[in-house]
Amino acid sequence: DIQMTQSPASLSASVGDRVTITCRASQSISRNLGWYQQKVGKAPKLLIYGASSLQRGIPSRFSGSGSGTDFTLTISSLQAEDFATYYCQQTDSSPWTFGQGTKVEI
Amino acid sequence: QVQLQESGPGLVKPSQTLSLTCTVSGGSIGSNYYSWIWIRQPAGKGLEWIGRIYNSGNTNYNPSLKSRVTISVDTSKNQFSLELTSVTAADTAVYYCARAAPGGYSIWYLDYWGQGTLVTVSS
Repeated sequence: DIQMTQSPASLSASVGDRVTITCRASQSISRNLGWYQQKVGKAPKLLIYGASSLQRGIPSRFSGSGSGTDFTLTISSLQAEDFATYYCQQTDSSPWTFGQGTKVEI
Repeated sequence: QVQLQESGPGLVKPSQTLSLTCTVSGGSIGSNYYSWIWIRQPAGKGLEWIGRIYNSGNTNYNPSLKSRVTISVDTSKNQFSLELTSVTAADTAVYYCARAAPGGYSIWYLDYWGQGTLVTVSS
């Protein structure tokens, strides 16, 4: 299985901050990576697919980059509604695996 | 607007079979374009991909669960289902169904999710 490692596991930030979350794959996954946001008690929500494509309806303050083994999710100016847990997921090979999550706290 | 809704027992006894159904509305599960996914999340933990099915019936399962999992599809009811046999307390989790859409090559993304259903394994 491809292992996905996110860092940091958690971070504290303020409204308006620029936030960066990284995800590293245990082997190359090209650009077959998505980012999801999950709020407490809710299903995950797709933010980014194909490493850098913004899902319809997602604010442009969210962006993704990377290819191969190293990927980044950036929130350019953190808003109050962005406090949540973020997961990366690879779809390069089965089983599709998720990172362990990054909790973004106030 | 596509919607997915999980249904099934919230409590299952150890060693028994967990059975869940995902009903899809606002779109046809018979489309060749998508695949249909089950994912689970134990309380306070991360997401685990269980497996997927195409409308053709072809499946992929997580090797860690493969010997106990069956995913099936009923296009006439616009539903797909999960069966997990010989459950233990470790199978207690929120179970989500989701739709996977292709974005080119091996790019897939989970664009619609059910709200999730908690299944507790306990006697």
